[in-house]
Amino acid sequence: GAGVSQSPSNKVTEKGKDVELRCDPISGHTALYWYRQSLGQGLEFLIYFQGNSAPDKSGLPSDRFSAERTGGSVSTLTIQRTQQEDSAVYLCASSLEGGQGGFKQYFGPGTRLTVT
Amino acid sequence: EDQVTQSPEALRLQEGESSSLNCSYTVSGLRGLFWYRQDPGKGPEFLFTLYSAGEEKEKERLKATLTKKESFLHITAPKPEDSATYLCAVDGSARQLTFGSGTQLTVLP
Repeated sequence: GAGVSQSPSNKVTEKGKDVELRCDPISGHTALYWYRQSLGQGLEFLIYFQGNSAPDKSGLPSDRFSAERTGGSVSTLTIQRTQQEDSAVYLCASSLEGGQGGFKQYFGPGTRLTVT
Repeated sequence: EDQVTQSPEALRLQEGESSSLNCSYTVSGLRGLFWYRQDPGKGPEFLFTLYSAGEEKEKERLKATLTKKESFLHITAPKPEDSATYLCAVDGSARQLTFGSGTQLTVLP
């Protein structure tokens, strides 16, 4: 079946502009995660959605970052007033919550964001 | 706070030269340890989940093992197509994965 998809694959924006990144999780997966991966670094957790529960926003680096998930499916990560330090690959993942599968997460290909 | 440290940062092997990658972790209550493979320009691809000390899992030339403090990813007779960055992550006190910074493996023909 279809995996996690993300769009756009690449985004170049000017400092100070707002950007929106989209994630389509695997159908039926109730959990959705956003991570950020800077050059040569590990994945940094940003935000987690599980069903209709309030999202875990503990990883968002500043109030310029926000995310929403509509209808328990598609998610959008918004970065306002982008800064050069926001340049990174933004990865989305989804998983089936609970059960013997645990929290095995399936990742999308990522969106490479470059802030000039 | 959960922590994951991977070593070495980079590893170059000749084709057929077996070796191991290390993942040391500290976590309050391990719910699972995950290994992922990441190719350049792509998202991480799931390899293994280990849940308890002593557990082992194998897939082709890869074997993952787990103790109470660390996990090893053993690569037997690697091929150039095994070249990638290997990421280790733990599912512990928080309901999200904490990742290490990865080991970049290069297998030379």
